[in-house]
Amino acid sequence: DTEVTQTPKHLVMGMTNKKSLKCEQHMGHRAMYWYKQKAKKPPELMFVYSYEKLSINESVPSRFSPECPNSSLLNLHLHALQPEDSALYLCASSPQPGTRGANVLTFGAGSRLTVL
Amino acid sequence: RKEVEQDPGPFNVPEGATVAFNCTYSNSASQSFFWYRQDCRKEPKLLMSVYSSGNEDGRFTAQLNRASQYISLLIRDSKLSDSATYLCVVNNAGGTSYGKLTFGQGTILTVHP
Repeated sequence: DTEVTQTPKHLVMGMTNKKSLKCEQHMGHRAMYWYKQKAKKPPELMFVYSYEKLSINESVPSRFSPECPNSSLLNLHLHALQPEDSALYLCASSPQPGTRGANVLTFGAGSRLTVL
Repeated sequence: RKEVEQDPGPFNVPEGATVAFNCTYSNSASQSFFWYRQDCRKEPKLLMSVYSSGNEDGRFTAQLNRASQYISLLIRDSKLSDSATYLCVVNNAGGTSYGKLTFGQGTILTVHP
């Protein structure tokens, strides 16, 4: 079983809907990530939170809005998405900077999003 | 040049074969290197970190050549269960921010009986 839990596993939404993806980890990791993965492509980095602060935004459109309520939780709020946003959204976490294994990612199983 | 580039593959090998994957990265300031494997419709999972001195974990051997900006993964005595996509991952591939991990496009391995 993965130590990073993502919900929902599957989500179908219309272009006018508002939905959220959720991610939770209890490993004490202080960095959390959102990646987007299209079929037969590698994961693409979207956002990085370090110590609950947004540290990297890879020029992601504003229809994707991340939120880190605390060190264990990471949300991705979705609004007015396009069909091309359909993909697997992967959450990951890693230990705090400066520690052994700081860059080793543990991924959740992903949320498969379909935008109609 | 892509930040992280891998062999295009796919590789189709018989059980017991030895297979090697290569990966190059463009930023000489990159500091951390990894191989992940991803099974079909699953999340990526860490296979091994890659250290300057090279490292081995059972049938898997990883090498790093900083001068050539090149990483390799060798799988000996391939098993059917090794069939997966192998992803080369480099930290700080294109910048200095913590957490900027960039994935190569992946190499598909199929091991057949």
